[in-house]
Parts: sequence; structure tokens; C-alpha cells
Amino acid sequence: KQEVTQIPAALSVPEGENLVLNCSFTDSAIYNLQWFRQDPGKGLTSLLLIQSSQREQTSGRLNASLDKSSGRSTLYIAASQPGDSATYLCAVMNEGAQKLVFGQGTRLTINP
Amino acid sequence: EAQVTQNPRYLITVTGKKLTVTCSQNMNHEYMSWYRQDPGLGLRQIYYSMNVEVTDKGDVPEGYKVSRKEKRNFPLILESPSPNQTSLYFCASSFYPTLPGQGSEKLFFGSGTQLSVL
Repeated sequence: KQEVTQIPAALSVPEGENLVLNCSFTDSAIYNLQWFRQDPGKGLTSLLLIQSSQREQTSGRLNASLDKSSGRSTLYIAASQPGDSATYLCAVMNEGAQKLVFGQGTRLTINP
Repeated sequence: EAQVTQNPRYLITVTGKKLTVTCSQNMNHEYMSWYRQDPGLGLRQIYYSMNVEVTDKGDVPEGYKVSRKEKRNFPLILESPSPNQTSLYFCASSFYPTLPGQGSEKLFFGSGTQLSVL
């Protein structure tokens, strides 16, 4: 059974710093991996989707990498801003399955 | 505007009173899904649908029903709600390409329905 873990559960950094969020998964036979952002009381917004054949995806100040063999993904946020404060979740979809398995998220706070 | 619309946003009900949470998307997506989000348990998938009249169980389907009679709608039905179904519910949809390069499977979420069962 696929399990997705995100460490740390919470992270607080000063504005302007570059930071990395981690996601690990137990079954490497994945179809794709997505990173989401969730603001308090709101739905999730998909930030980046990486197919199993890809190594990374970039969007603006965000870069997500995928190492399938080691069961790891990272989300790199450059030059962090207070508006980046939110909970970030990663989710994987296994090959041959249409179920998405989510990590519990990392609650990120960027201090001005 | 491309969106997934859930209704209602908030719902308080009593044990055993049947209810339906509606979900509609305007992006012509094949794939739709329901999740519940609980503190300490994260997001868990209830049911999903690959297309009209095609539905399947997720990880926590007990006590829920779904239907997919039209491509745009995917209602969640609680026939006899119980207090352990008190949760924040999300509907989501995505394109489901059958060939590589046809499109992105990025998942679009609704704003959520906060359900309280007394």
C-alpha cells in the first residue's frame, strides 16, 4: 500500500530565503506526482505535476524534482515571500490505479 | 472561468437525515473524485469516476454513494449520515489523457464543504 510522508510537518523561515520541502513515498511504481498548495479554509491548488518519466518541473519560483528509484520528491521555493505561507501537500498516483494518495502536508510560514 | 463548484459550502444536519453534496465542473474533465480531510488523517479518497457511468471506490467509501450520470456532475450522497462523517469534503476533477502528450492530469479542486453531523 502506497504511503506518502512529508517532513517536517511545519516550517518557519524569514522572507527572502530559499527553501526545500520534502516528500517521500514507499512504492516507486508511480504514474505521476503532484504538489499542491492549500490556504486555510480553502481548496487545494495544483502547483506542479511531474510524470513518472520526468525528473523535474518548474513554474516561476517553484521547482519540483522527482527521484522515483529512491521514492523522493522535493519542492524548491526560491526567494520566499509572505504570500507563500500555506500548507503544501504532495500526492502520488500509482501505475494502473486512479487513486491519489496524499501526504499530510508541510505548513509553511514565511516571516516578513 | 474554469472551476469546480461544490454546494453547499457549509452544512449542519442530524444523524440519519439523507443529504447530497453537489459537484459540477465546466472543463469537460473525464476524471472526478471526492475526498474528505480530517485533522491528523489528511486527505483520503472516498470515490472516483473515470467517466460517465464509471465509478469506483477509494480508500474510505463506507457510508457514501456517488453517481455519474452526466460528465459535468458528480454528486456525493450520504444516505444515513453519522457523526463520524463530520468532515471537510472536497470534490476534484482532471483531464484524463489516453495518450501521452494529450494533456495534463493536474487536479482542480472545489472550495470544500464543511459538514457537521449532530
